[in-house]
Amino acid sequence: GQNIDQPTEMTATEGAIVQINCTYQTSGFNELFWYQQHAGEAPTFLSYNVLDGLEEKGRFSSFLSRSKGYSYLLLKELQMKDSASYLCAVRGLPGAGSYQLTFGKGTKLSVIP
Amino acid sequence: SAVISQKPSRDICQRGTSLTIQCQVDSQVTMMFWYRQQPGQSLTLIATANQGSEATYESGFVIDKFPISRPNLTFSTLTVSNMSPEDSSIYLCSVDEHTEAFFGQGTRLTVV
Repeated sequence: GQNIDQPTEMTATEGAIVQINCTYQTSGFNELFWYQQHAGEAPTFLSYNVLDGLEEKGRFSSFLSRSKGYSYLLLKELQMKDSASYLCAVRGLPGAGSYQLTFGKGTKLSVIP
Repeated sequence: SAVISQKPSRDICQRGTSLTIQCQVDSQVTMMFWYRQQPGQSLTLIATANQGSEATYESGFVIDKFPISRPNLTFSTLTVSNMSPEDSSIYLCSVDEHTEAFFGQGTRLTVV
C-alpha cells in the first residue's frame, strides 16, 4: 500500500516563498503529483514528477527524490489567492494493485498580508 | 483537457434513502474513478468504473452500499445507498488524461 505524510497546516506571507514537504512509503512507486484544492472546489493539477529532480512551472516548482521517498512543492511570490489546500498524490506501478492515485491528507496553506 | 460535469452539486438527504450522482465526460475514457472526501480529510478512492464490466472496489467499500453504473465510455453513476450521517461527505468523479487526473466539481452530500 501507500502511506503519504505532509504537514497539516502552514502560514506564509504574501510575496514570500513557501515549501510544502511530502514523504511517502510505497510498495511500488511510479509517479508523484501535486494538486491544489480551494475550499469547496475540486482539486486541480499543479505538477507531476516521475524522475528525480526539479520541475518548474511558473511560480510553482516540485522536487522529487525517489531514493528518499520525498517531494516538495515550492511556491514563489505568494499571492492571497494561493490560500488553499495542497495535496500530494502518488501513483504506483501499472499492473500492480497500487496503480490508482493515493492522496495525502493535504496541507492547508494560509497566505497573510 | 477533459471536462467533467457532475451533478447534483449538493444535496441534503434523509437517512435511509439513496442518492445517485451522475458524471459526464466530454471525451471517451476507459476508466472513471469515484472518490470520497470527508470533512477535513483527503480523497479516498471508492472504486474504479470500467465500461462493460463490474466496478473494482477498494478495501472498505462494497457494491451493495455504493453501486456504480458505467453504461458507456463518457458516463458513470455512483449511488450512495441506505444513507446514514456518516456518509456526509464530498463525492468526486475523476478521469485520467495523459497521466493527469481531472475532477468533477464534486457533490456535497449532507445526510440528516
